[in-house]
Amino acid sequence: DQQVKQNSPSLSVQEGRISILNCDYTNSMFDYFLWYKKYPAEGPTFLISISSIKDKNEDGRFTVFLNKSAKHLSLHIVPSQPGDSAVYFCAALYTDKLIFGTGTRLQVFP
Amino acid sequence: NAGVMQNPRHLVRRRGQEARLRCSPMKGHSHVYWYRQLPEEGLKFMVYLQKENIIDESGMPKERFSAEFPKEGPSILRIQQVVRGDSAAYFCASSPSRAILYEQYFGPGTRLTVT
Repeated sequence: DQQVKQNSPSLSVQEGRISILNCDYTNSMFDYFLWYKKYPAEGPTFLISISSIKDKNEDGRFTVFLNKSAKHLSLHIVPSQPGDSAVYFCAALYTDKLIFGTGTRLQVFP
Repeated sequence: NAGVMQNPRHLVRRRGQEARLRCSPMKGHSHVYWYRQLPEEGLKFMVYLQKENIIDESGMPKERFSAEFPKEGPSILRIQQVVRGDSAAYFCASSPSRAILYEQYFGPGTRLTVT
């Protein structure tokens, strides 16, 4: 039972354009969400998070939007850069554990 | 300030052998989490430990797997009598306190291959 879903396994975006990564969840008890970035052979690195009391959080080129009624969140990266090419994981913090989605592989091409 | 350390980075075991994975949390962190990533999947929670205590092991398989975080030394994830299905990347994360569990910093992972 996948409680956090990332339905797009991959995304390809041109450098300078916007990248939009999507995530859906099923458990309305989730109240804190995080995005992680992962390069091959490395551990996930925290990018940005959002609490359920907010609908938007911004940090530089990264913005996360939360739609609680739709149980949907998205990560916007603008402008996209080649160094952003990685796998992005959405996660929900529930009690004491992170519940991860299956990831979206983002490729930013010149 | 060193990050979360995991060793070995790569481990090859034959079916039936034991695998021991080590995790040293960040300095000052007393909370450790283990996650497993199977090929083409996301990370799945296994266990949450504080020094000398298992807080939540709801994600641990019932048999062959155990974890500890002693008062001194690294946290150990132990897999007895490994099978091919145990082949995965095992990640450790640490956080400074229970009050800010969302601040989980991940190590580089141990890639276990069972032949």
